[in-house]
Amino acid sequence: RKEVEQDPGPFNVPEGATVAFNCTYSNSASQSFFWYRQDCRKEPKLLMSVYSSGNEDGRFTAQLNRASQYISLLIRDSKLSDSATYLCVAANAGNMLTFGGGTRLMVKP
Amino acid sequence: DAGVTQSPTHLIKTRGQQVTLRCSPKSGHDTVSWYQQALGQGPQFIFQYYEEEERQRGNFPDRFSGHQFPNYSSELNVNALLLGDSALYLCASSLPRSDSPLHFGNGTRLTVT
Repeated sequence: RKEVEQDPGPFNVPEGATVAFNCTYSNSASQSFFWYRQDCRKEPKLLMSVYSSGNEDGRFTAQLNRASQYISLLIRDSKLSDSATYLCVAANAGNMLTFGGGTRLMVKP
Repeated sequence: DAGVTQSPTHLIKTRGQQVTLRCSPKSGHDTVSWYQQALGQGPQFIFQYYEEEERQRGNFPDRFSGHQFPNYSSELNVNALLLGDSALYLCASSLPRSDSPLHFGNGTRLTVT
């Protein structure tokens, strides 16, 4: 079993749709959590950190449930430019990141 | 303010050869981590360097080794290359705290033939 698991997708959605990604992690000692975005053949870039209280950044909302070891990302009003792979990440106390396999999103006109 | 820089961008090697990849961290960062990303998969942690010492290591064989220099730059060395070592090698820099986001370089794409 992978330490961080995500549905690989692809999720094909029309512009303007709301889409939700889920992720589970197995290491209860994980300290910090993030969503990264990776475009084709590019490096991962930090999208947002994830907190138990939930956090929002524009059209993006992330949530952490430590009891269920579950992380989510909600994207509202999808844009064509949101098409990418979204990587769920858990970090230990030493900032070693464990990545999920990524969920591919394709937003269509 | 330069971000994380890696060299070379692309590399082709033959099975059994050795390779050295280089990374300069983002200004102000002192911790460097290396990741291997195979096609269609998420990045896998190789190791992390802080204060010129390997601080954490992932599940990679001893053929993978590294170094960090006093200016915080780092090298990744891979000996006795295998076909399965073909991947994108990503360097990331950060501060040595769990809540410090990693900043990734553009990566080195290694092809082993």
